[in-house]
Amino acid sequence: EVQLVESGGGLMQPGGSLRLSCAASGFTVSSKYMTWVRQAPGKGLEWVSLIYSAGTTYYADSVKGRFTVSRDNSKNTLYLQMTSLRPEDTAVYYCAGGTTSLGGVAFDIWGQGTMVTVSS
Amino acid sequence: QSALTQPASVSGSPGQSITISCTGTSSDIGGYNYVSWYQHHPGKAPKLIIYEVSNRPSGVSNRFSGSKSGNTASLTISGLQAEDEADYYCTSYTSSPYTISILVFGGGTKLTVL
Repeated sequence: EVQLVESGGGLMQPGGSLRLSCAASGFTVSSKYMTWVRQAPGKGLEWVSLIYSAGTTYYADSVKGRFTVSRDNSKNTLYLQMTSLRPEDTAVYYCAGGTTSLGGVAFDIWGQGTMVTVSS
Repeated sequence: QSALTQPASVSGSPGQSITISCTGTSSDIGGYNYVSWYQHHPGKAPKLIIYEVSNRPSGVSNRFSGSKSGNTASLTISGLQAEDEADYYCTSYTSSPYTISILVFGGGTKLTVL
């Protein structure tokens, strides 16, 4: 079964760091482009970052320089390293993946999300 | 403020058709055929229903259709069913000079089936 499972969320203080994980099963993360999308409480979906099969990475303006997306092919896992956390980073974080047949910016496999709360 | 503009809400009765618009610029929707639509039931994972403006992934009902004209994309749902009640988001690839982002979301539209 094709599946993505996020973990690593929690309550963090402003300025802190956190690493989210997204474990894949039923496919290899290196064969797809992978993304992180977040949803703040009561708000809409917001794109965060993207990593292509070749390793090229992209970030939203709001997280550039603070968040880093990576993957470990041996663990078949996607990561999001989050630093200098701000209260506005509070959100449910989803990981998702897509294949080149979808055009490069559409994602058909999604996890259930992990909650990150940044508060003092 | 989202880069793509969607109506906050739309509604329709079972069996009817509704259309959700998504307006951007020539740097995103108008310039590329990389518009996608997602259905999101609160508390669940989003679901891809349209990619590359008008393509449906395998398994998605043909009641969902997408189109584009100029800087505006549209999602039409025909034969509304109760289970269609959800939030719908459009996204587009972007090359705007005002952002380093390559992907932008709309603010989302809440569909209510009356």
